[in-house]
Amino acid sequence: QVQLQESGPGLVKPSQTLSLTCTVSGGSITSGNYFWTWIRQPAGEGLEWIGRVSTSGSTNSNPSLKTRVTISVDTSKNQFSLRLSSVTAADTALYYCARQRRIEWIEIFDYWGQGTLVTVSS
Amino acid sequence: DIQMTQSPSSLSASVGDRVTITCQASQDISNFLNWYQQKPGKAPKLLIYDASNFETGVPSRFSGSGSGTDFTFTISSLQPEDIATYYCQQYDSLPFTFGPGTKVDIK
Repeated sequence: QVQLQESGPGLVKPSQTLSLTCTVSGGSITSGNYFWTWIRQPAGEGLEWIGRVSTSGSTNSNPSLKTRVTISVDTSKNQFSLRLSSVTAADTALYYCARQRRIEWIEIFDYWGQGTLVTVSS
Repeated sequence: DIQMTQSPSSLSASVGDRVTITCQASQDISNFLNWYQQKPGKAPKLLIYDASNFETGVPSRFSGSGSGTDFTFTISSLQPEDIATYYCQQYDSLPFTFGPGTKVDIK
């Protein structure tokens, strides 16, 4: 059973960089046709796709965040990471990591972490 | 970006009722739509993929239909454990986008 677990600081100061890591267990991050994804959810609000990384290291990110987002993968540690620069209070949210599985034309988020709350405040 | 809308934003129904949620895309997304259930304090869970296909283990009271821009999600007989917020999500093109959610309560 694949499990994902987010980790990182729960509090980040405005203008600084938010850094989160997702550790994948129960399977190799390099096996299968997957993208490793970050999604966030402000309190009481909906879900926003931040971006994804493939095991080859290719990335896609949301244009609304693109210049601030870096997503990377460390296959030796079975982890992938998110860095979001120049944060503001608007970046306060519950951050989820998730596995995106591709089956032919179908793309689904089939495994999720439990989420980690990041608050941006001085 | 493809904008997703859902209606209603919330609903309250009795146990055993049929519940229907609609989702509309701002452009044609064929069948490239998933439905997720999010219970309070939990991560979303995939219920329906490709507009109408059941994820393994999902109860048969949940179903989805539609194509193009208009989609429907149905709970045929609402159960107490179905209290959750339901989101549609398109994967026709990046960035993937979610609907704003429909919160379902028991009356």
